[in-house]
Amino acid sequence: ILNVEQSPQSLHVQEGDSTNFTCSFPSSNFYALHWYRWETAKSPEALFVMTLNGDEKKKGRISATLNTKEGYSYLYIKGSQPEDSATYLCAFITGGFKTIFGAGTRLFVKA
Amino acid sequence: KAGVTQTPRYLIKTRGQQVTLSCSPISGHRSVSWYQQTPGQGLQFLFEYFSETQRNKGNFPGRFSGRQFSNSRSEMNVSTLELGDSALYLCASSPRLAGGTYQETQYFGPGTRLLVL
Repeated sequence: ILNVEQSPQSLHVQEGDSTNFTCSFPSSNFYALHWYRWETAKSPEALFVMTLNGDEKKKGRISATLNTKEGYSYLYIKGSQPEDSATYLCAFITGGFKTIFGAGTRLFVKA
Repeated sequence: KAGVTQTPRYLIKTRGQQVTLSCSPISGHRSVSWYQQTPGQGLQFLFEYFSETQRNKGNFPGRFSGRQFSNSRSEMNVSTLELGDSALYLCASSPRLAGGTYQETQYFGPGTRLLVL
């Protein structure tokens, strides 16, 4: 059974803090990794699609890195704002094109 | 461009009934994927349709089925509903250009919340 783990499960930070969370996935049979942000009462929003070992992607204050050899991806948020409060999900795509989501990291940013 | 739309947004059914959910992808997108979100299991992949063909399937019983029409709109059907089918059902579309890679961004709809009593 393929497992995708996200840590921590939840995180409370103050406005202005920088934070990061982890998505761990099987290091074999990797095809792609997707990061999503899911705000309450909204649809999941795609953040990054990562495909190559060593990939680094950035969108504003949010960035992500990928290590396929050791099976992890980090998502970083610099200078957290209350509007960053959301659940951050990663989705691992296998070589057989199966999609497996992590349980998510719930971020709370206090003003 | 209009986003992904799903209908209905909310639905209440009783055990044993069947239900059909609809998803209209972003114009020009050829792939539609369906997901189930429950508090206990998180977000799980149901299936993907591309050019009217099911290309990929998750680990769900045969009571869950779907189809895609020539205009890329997709429907998902659940027969003989069980209490455990109560969930948020999301669909997502992506272009899936020729070759059908899974390295493209997916765009999610607002979901259909199904309650089975």
